[in-house]
Amino acid sequence: AQTVTQSQPEMSVQEAETVTLSCTYDTSENNYYLFWYKQPPSRQMILVIRQEAYKQQNATENRFSVNFQKAAKSFSLKISDSQLGDTAMYFCAFASIYGSSNTGKLIFGQGTTLQVKP
Amino acid sequence: EAQVTQNPRYLITVTGKKLTVTCSQNMNHEYMSWYRQDPGLGLRQIYYSMNVEVTDKGDVPEGYKVSRKEKRNFPLILESPSPNQTSLYFCASSLSSERLDEQYFGPGTRLTVT
Repeated sequence: AQTVTQSQPEMSVQEAETVTLSCTYDTSENNYYLFWYKQPPSRQMILVIRQEAYKQQNATENRFSVNFQKAAKSFSLKISDSQLGDTAMYFCAFASIYGSSNTGKLIFGQGTTLQVKP
Repeated sequence: EAQVTQNPRYLITVTGKKLTVTCSQNMNHEYMSWYRQDPGLGLRQIYYSMNVEVTDKGDVPEGYKVSRKEKRNFPLILESPSPNQTSLYFCASSLSSERLDEQYFGPGTRLTVT
């Protein structure tokens, strides 16, 4: 069974600095998606960035980028130039794409609460 | 505007009183699912539906029921709520079970069972 682990329950960063959130996962599949979701105090789930496993190039979205290490099964999120609005809980998630294990389920990590300090 | 709506957004109820949380999407999506979020556990899937009239259990289905009579609606039913079902609930939808790259989440329903 697939699992996703976020080992940092809480993190903090000064405004304008860079922070990296860690995520590791376990799967025997070769094709899958990985995601980072942001959950601000409003509780809305907001997709930050996604990575398809067959793409070697790391995904980037403005100030957000990932370091995808497929062999190590690691998927970290880097937030550059942190802003107060980045304060939120961040979830790493895994989804199978094809095959009998594809039930459309997202498997989430435990979450990391990030506080950006002024 | 493409969206997933849930109602109610907040609910406080008592043990054993049946309740339904509604979920509706306006994107003609085939796939819908329900998750619950608990501290330290992330989100876990309760039930999912591949398309109309086809539903199946997720990882934590005990104490819940669902139905999918129409494509746009996927209500979550708690026949006899218990305090351990106090949680934050999310409905989600996507074009198909393989199109999770474009999954939409509802705003969440905070349920408290006393």
